[in-house]
Amino acid sequence: NAGVTQTPKFQVLKTGQSMTLQCAQDMNHEYMSWYRQDPGMGLRLIHYSVGAGITDQGEVPNGYNVSRSTTEDFPLRLLSAAPSQTSVYFCASKNRGTYGYTFGSGTRLTVV
Amino acid sequence: GENVEQHPSTLSVQEGDSAVIKCTYSDSASNYFPWYKQELGKRPQLIIDIRSNVGEKKDQRIAVTLNKTAKHFSLHITETQPEDSAVYFCAPNTGGFKTIFGAGTRLFVKA
Repeated sequence: NAGVTQTPKFQVLKTGQSMTLQCAQDMNHEYMSWYRQDPGMGLRLIHYSVGAGITDQGEVPNGYNVSRSTTEDFPLRLLSAAPSQTSVYFCASKNRGTYGYTFGSGTRLTVV
Repeated sequence: GENVEQHPSTLSVQEGDSAVIKCTYSDSASNYFPWYKQELGKRPQLIIDIRSNVGEKKDQRIAVTLNKTAKHFSLHITETQPEDSAVYFCAPNTGGFKTIFGAGTRLFVKA
């Protein structure tokens, strides 16, 4: 099992550009989430999904879109990148009835 | 929604001393109380957790204690070592799909 795989590991964007952060898990987990972590700060929930075709907003959803067409994949789209979106992004997953999350290795995004 | 607070935000101890980090939550329905450790540049990893029907759980040098009445739980690390230096997060929840993390506690263990 690869666990939770995120790509790319690093990305630099110009203001106004769009891009998609990829997240895939091979553990057949139902729940998947995206978090952002700013320097010296905690993890803030952006969007989450409880299964294929079902997504919902977290604490800081503005400027991001998600979709969940399969159980395995949960991509995060930045529509028009802004410097305030410079952060490290973590994807996490877990199964229904279990409690602890498995995290991906993160994507470090810089918007200039 | 759940309001989660961690104290202290930064903790510095001498190697061999004990460290205690406290997490306070607001949702009385929370029944699962995990702690995650994040080393510099790495992903958060679950290190210990406790369910609401248990007051304390130990795993070698780390332990978690729960006070459901007061709505707080704590991480205890004994005989601290330099490799314990990291950021620790709590994430109390109901086992559901929307988990809010605490802001984190940065632990420094001085050799």
